[in-house]
Amino acid sequence: KAGVTQTPRYLIKTRGQQVTLSCSPISGHRSVSWYQQTPGQGLQFLFEYFSETQRNKGNFPGRFSGRQFSNSRSEMNVSTLELGDSALYLCASSTLAGGRNEQYFGPGTRLTVT
Amino acid sequence: AQTVTQSQPEMSVQEAETVTLSCTYDTSESDYYLFWYKQPPSRQMILVIRQEAYKQQNATENRFSVNFQKAAKSFSLKISDSQLGDAAMYFCAYRPPGGATNKLIFGTGTLLAVQP
Repeated sequence: KAGVTQTPRYLIKTRGQQVTLSCSPISGHRSVSWYQQTPGQGLQFLFEYFSETQRNKGNFPGRFSGRQFSNSRSEMNVSTLELGDSALYLCASSTLAGGRNEQYFGPGTRLTVT
Repeated sequence: AQTVTQSQPEMSVQEAETVTLSCTYDTSESDYYLFWYKQPPSRQMILVIRQEAYKQQNATENRFSVNFQKAAKSFSLKISDSQLGDAAMYFCAYRPPGGATNKLIFGTGTLLAVQP
């Protein structure tokens, strides 16, 4: 089975622009979660989706949004980019939500904002 | 708010030796889940081991085991017979109770170096 894939792997954007990141979960997985990883703040939860519905959202400004499609693929969008948005964005998928359920992480998208 | 603390930013161990990584957490919940994840350099994060709070028995996975002290809110990871491939960033994570979320709250991580 193919693992979680994220595209693009690397991205350089200018402050003020917007960006869309994509995540394809493992086949059969219906839950997708997104995390932001930075040296200063560590790993922070952005949001999660299950069967196209947003189940939970982290403490991020409204510039950060996401969605999930009927095939479980997910996208996250960041509008009006700021220098502080430079980070590794990780996506994780799982079959179900909650409990001892294991999440499988993708390789991440490294976003650099200049 | 729930928090996870890893007080050791870096650790080093000799190959074949044993090392313990510390993790403490804060929650008012009684039923939750705890995880250790490994993030090798430039590679994907993978699950090492998980523990259900309602289970008193400590989880083990081959060379990896945990010491779960619920009252003390402590969840340490012991790596036995350390191997070069164990070198990575290790994150402790907490999952709140409730069946509808996969949200993880992570600690700041411990960078483990394995010396040959």
